[in-house]
Amino acid sequence: DTAVSQTPKYLVTQMGNDKSIKCEQNLGHDTMYWYKQDSKKFLKIMFSYNNKELIINETVPNRFSPKSPDKAHLNLHINSLELGDSAVYFCASSQDWTGYSETQYFGPGTRLLVL
Amino acid sequence: EDQVTQSPEALRLQEGESSSLNCSYTVSGLRGLFWYRQDPGKGPEFLFTLYSAGEEKEKERLKATLTKKESFLHITAPKPEDSATYLCAVQAGGGADGLTFGKGTHLIIQP
Repeated sequence: DTAVSQTPKYLVTQMGNDKSIKCEQNLGHDTMYWYKQDSKKFLKIMFSYNNKELIINETVPNRFSPKSPDKAHLNLHINSLELGDSAVYFCASSQDWTGYSETQYFGPGTRLLVL
Repeated sequence: EDQVTQSPEALRLQEGESSSLNCSYTVSGLRGLFWYRQDPGKGPEFLFTLYSAGEEKEKERLKATLTKKESFLHITAPKPEDSATYLCAVQAGGGADGLTFGKGTHLIIQP
């Protein structure tokens, strides 16, 4: 049983295109995240969603927009793709914050290549 | 700004040769320190969470410890299947904050 899944696994597209990456979790978690891993393998937080509300946005360009149809899904939409957007994007989820630091569980990643 | 520094960047060991990976952190109010393992082409796999200085956790050949400034991941008698990149991350502040990751230690265990 896959806990956090992402589609597609690979995405190759042209500069200027608009694309979406989907994420689903079956853990019953209330918070979901998007991370970007660059070519140097450095993981950096992009967004988190809690109860359909955006919690943080770490200076990510507004071409990136997370959309959550329900608490089990957090999709990432990217407009006007640029070469620098090429990276691996990871979705993660955690239990609702209860005052403690909750473990985040990661998906397998989506490898985006912009040509 | 929260910072996480891992050392060494890469480590090559013989099978059975024990060692330790270091994670130094600077955060304003640590809520949790996490260790993950990442295999090539896969997402980070959760290993441990540590909450307070003095805490230790073990899982098979791995043991994680935490002080007020750093964490260590001790690997005892490693096997080739322990080869991976080990990531350290911290969570500070409140609410559903994202993790701040270090750049990882790439560990290779030679048979």
